Amino acid sequence: QSVLTQPPSASGAPGQRVTISCSGSSSNIGTNTLHWYQQPPRTAPKVLIYRNTQRPSGVPDRFSGSKSGTSASLAISGLQSEDEADYYCATWDDSLDGWVFGGGTKLTVL
Amino acid sequence: EVQLVESGGGVEQPGGSLRLSCAASGFTLDDYTIHWVRQTPGKGLEWVSLINGDGGVTLYADSVRGRFTISRDNSKNSLYLQMKTLGIEDTALYYCATENSSGYFQHWGQGTLVTVSS
Repeated sequence: QSVLTQPPSASGAPGQRVTISCSGSSSNIGTNTLHWYQQPPRTAPKVLIYRNTQRPSGVPDRFSGSKSGTSASLAISGLQSEDEADYYCATWDDSLDGWVFGGGTKLTVL
Repeated sequence: EVQLVESGGGVEQPGGSLRLSCAASGFTLDDYTIHWVRQTPGKGLEWVSLINGDGGVTLYADSVRGRFTISRDNSKNSLYLQMKTLGIEDTALYYCATENSSGYFQHWGQGTLVTVSS
């Protein structure tokens, strides 16, 4: 069982907006910045959102992140078929003295 | 081109040992804190260990502490993970990844597969 809780799956039709939640505690999300990673099938993860809300260069503005208290969300608008992937949230945990990941959310574009 | 290439994975019996390597090219590894992250087949990501730029700071996940040792050789631009007393639960694809100044895992290798089975 992961320290950070994500829904195991999410789905939406092309063009729709989907949100993926990530829930933690005061020792991780409540205190530290959170990052989101995208992992298409059979490839290594790549960062999608860093420091809660920032997009690296090259990531479309269809992707956005937010954080409030001990929870965070990733929103994807204008859903496209290439967005089908697994999505993970990650942050540092002060109690565990290590990085923690969410269990991952598999996004299906209908 | 920035590249990380892991090697050393394979099939090992429970209780055995393996040493993973991560070779960097296209950049100087000693500028970065480096991590090992593993992924159980068909499942999620699990952070394993980190080592800072000069090797003076190492941290481990509870699941591997006391069994795994992370090290680096900056002269060879390489990172290592010595794994001992392997258990079935250590079966996973092991990635090395660099942490950049914004605190996220920026560059990842393609992973090396470790299978622990009798």
